[in-house]
Amino acid sequence: GQNIDQPTEMTATEGAIVQINCTYQTSGFNGLFWYQQHAGEAPTFLSYNVLDGLEEKGRFSSFLSRSKGYSYLLLKELQMKDSASYLCAVQDSNYQLIWGAGTKLIIKP
Amino acid sequence: ETGVTQTPRHLVMGMTNKKSLKCEQHLGHNAMYWYKQSAKKPLELMFVYSLEERVENNSVPSRFSPECPNSSHLFLHLHTLQPEDSALYLCASSQERGGVYTEAFFGQGTRLTVV
Repeated sequence: GQNIDQPTEMTATEGAIVQINCTYQTSGFNGLFWYQQHAGEAPTFLSYNVLDGLEEKGRFSSFLSRSKGYSYLLLKELQMKDSASYLCAVQDSNYQLIWGAGTKLIIKP
Repeated sequence: ETGVTQTPRHLVMGMTNKKSLKCEQHLGHNAMYWYKQSAKKPLELMFVYSLEERVENNSVPSRFSPECPNSSHLFLHLHTLQPEDSALYLCASSQERGGVYTEAFFGQGTRLTVV
């Protein structure tokens, strides 16, 4: 079967750095997405990785290792507004998105 | 208005009611989706429309009936729902090019409660 694993919840301190991991087992791979979802709001696109390596976008970076079936989202200089759920999703060989259950990130002052 | 808009934002319905959820996208995309989001569970893909044709139907009960009259509008018709159907229903759109789909843009969802 197809599976995406990510931690259920993480806590971090304002101004610090946090890494949210995602491991996947899917039938084929055509890219990995990270989305941010604030409570009661729509998921919003953060990043897309299809090749191995690190993609940096401001305070957020996303890393992919296809051989390990592993990705992480790195958030630097954390702000209170970063409190949200972070969703990992993989496009399989049919370009269907397989979603993780999301990681709820709590930022404390 | 831009992006993906869903109405209503909240809906409470009895098990014998019939209601419809509406989604409209203003992004010029040619693919639209219905997802179900339940607490602490992964997003469940329900239906995919590409170029107004249904291309995916993930074993969704027949009490959910989608309709895509054009590339900008998507409906989800609901009838004789069960309490376990209570969830957040999200609409999304993306662009399909040669079988490849770009990142999805989501509406804010309809919070459905079945009583």
